[in-house]
Amino acid sequence: QQQVKQSPQSLIVQKGGISIINCAYENTAFDYFPWYQQFPGKGPALLIAIRPDVSEKKEGRFTISFNKSAKQFSLHIMDSQPGDSATYFCAARGIYNTDKLIFGTGTRLQVFP
Amino acid sequence: DGGITQSPKYLFRKEGQNVTLSCEQNLNHDAMYWYRQDPGQGLRLIYYSQIVNDFQKGDIAEGYSVSREKKESFPLTVTSAQKNPTAFYLCASSAVVTDTQYFGPGTRLTVL
Repeated sequence: QQQVKQSPQSLIVQKGGISIINCAYENTAFDYFPWYQQFPGKGPALLIAIRPDVSEKKEGRFTISFNKSAKQFSLHIMDSQPGDSATYFCAARGIYNTDKLIFGTGTRLQVFP
Repeated sequence: DGGITQSPKYLFRKEGQNVTLSCEQNLNHDAMYWYRQDPGQGLRLIYYSQIVNDFQKGDIAEGYSVSREKKESFPLTVTSAQKNPTAFYLCASSAVVTDTQYFGPGTRLTVL
């Protein structure tokens, strides 16, 4: 119940295309869903996050879509650029103050010109 | 310049040796974490600390030890008991456990 399942494991997209990464969870007590971006040899950096009281959050070219009933959330990268090439991790955390972040296994995105 | 620093960036160790990875933050965060990252896997939590002089085991604590004597420092010791220590180690901090986590640049440990 503590798992966050992420797919696909890798993704190749042409420049200008849409990149879509999906995550699913089972624990209904999760209430915070961040996405992290990690470049090779660097630590992950928070990209965008959502709470279940909204179905979508957009920041620039990055959008999180959240489906509470299906227990799924996804990251959409519009107009993908070669500079977006990185590994993306979804994560989830419960409502209790002792709950920790549970990470997905990551998606390696490659955007070709 | 605020942030999280980890040192060294690369670390080589002979089998049977203990090694300590440094993590320092000047963000005045109460909570700090250590994660291990292996190729094709997500981040796995080793230890975390919510406050000075207190820490809890994460999902893969065996073979590791930590201390939290100062708010800004959370060193991780990889002991000889850790059977497969070669990995990328990430330190993170957050204001409190329920807040956003910020990551350091990582230390790549290789056992020779």
